[in-house]
This record gives sequence, C-alpha cells and structure tokens, in this order.
Amino acid sequence: DARVTQTPRHKVTEMGQEVTMRCQPILGHNTVFWYRQTMMQGLELLAYFRNRAPLDDSGMPKDRFSAEMPDATLATLKIQPSEPRDSAVYFCASGLSVGTNTDTQYFGPGTRLTVL
Amino acid sequence: AQKITQTQPGMFVQEKEAVTLDCTYDTSDPSYGLFWYKQPSSGEMIFLIYQGSYDQQNATEGRYSLNFQKARKSANLVISASQLGDSAMYFCAMREVNYGGATNKLIFGTGTLLAVQP
Repeated sequence: DARVTQTPRHKVTEMGQEVTMRCQPILGHNTVFWYRQTMMQGLELLAYFRNRAPLDDSGMPKDRFSAEMPDATLATLKIQPSEPRDSAVYFCASGLSVGTNTDTQYFGPGTRLTVL
Repeated sequence: AQKITQTQPGMFVQEKEAVTLDCTYDTSDPSYGLFWYKQPSSGEMIFLIYQGSYDQQNATEGRYSLNFQKARKSANLVISASQLGDSAMYFCAMREVNYGGATNKLIFGTGTLLAVQP
C-alpha cells in the first residue's frame, strides 16, 4: 500500500532553532506539495514542486522557510530560525501530474511542530 | 478568486443513518476538480472522493457519494450507513486548473466535524 511518509511525526523545539522536515512521496508521483494546517488559517499551501522543480512557493515566508527536492524520493522543508508562530501541522502531499492537471493529492501523516 | 465554503461547523448523525455534508464553491474556471478528505483525530488527511467538473455522473466510492450540482456550485458529500469510525473532520477542496502549467494547489474549506452516535 503506497503512502507518503513524513519524518519526524512530532517536533518540539525552541525559538531560534533550525527545523527540518522530510517527506518521501509515493513512488512514481512527480508532484509534491507542502501544506500547513493551523486552527486560525486552516490548510494553506506553502510550496509546490513538479518533477523536482519548484513551481510555486508564494505561500512560504521566504526569509525563514526553504523547500527543496534533492532527489525524486525526498522533499525537505526547512525553517531557520523557527518562531512560535510556526507551530502547526505540516503536511506533505504527492500526486501524478499529466499536462497541466495534477491528479489526486495523497497526504502524508503530517509533522506536528511546536516552537516554544 | 476561487473559494470553498462549508457552512456546517459540526454535525451529529446516528449510527447506520445517512448524512450529507454541505460544500459550495466559487470559481470562474470552466474546468476544475472537487475533492473530499477525511481527517480523523489521529490527524492524517485521507482522500475520499473526487468529482471533475466535466463528469456527467456523480462520483461514488463505496459508502461515499458526491451530490454534484454544477449550476448551484455545490458538491455535497453523502455518507450512507454511518459508522462510528466515520467520526472525523471532513474537508471539501477544489483544485485550481492553471493552463499556464503553474500551481495546481488545493483550496480547502474550513471543514465539518462529524460525530456519529451509537
């Protein structure tokens, strides 16, 4: 049963520390999305990759967040330095994009981040 | 701008009964996709069902069906024969279709919390 995996599942850190979240998309999927879920904002897109190339990171605070795909099996989201307002659940999702359409997005279990 | 609206913050249903979760959307694109996801208390987002804007038939997946009324811009989720395990938050989402090949992100509603009572 193919699934998106994310590590770590939970992370507690102190303000100012660097946080790295990892995602392994479903094998064969060529699109990867990073979403953030908070009580106040709900689910919002942070960044999006297709064939490992970043296509949209307009939802991401550029000064402290960065997203990369070093290879087709790994996507990373990094926060440096972290702030308490970054506390949220971060989801990675993957899908298969054909042409201009992206098929169903399958979500990972999420990383619950708490910044003290 | 595209928007998804879920007007029911919470709902109760008796076990074995059917329940309808409402979702309305707003878009000027003729081509779009609509999704429902389930988020149980464990936190994962589980894909349930998909409806394309050009699909002639309402989508069905087991006990889930999507009541798609294009003219009214509604895409309600119907769960038949509710089970205790259906208790969760349910999100309606719309996929943008960007012909420029850019973002195909999902825009989510605020969710409906469903509680199935024995």
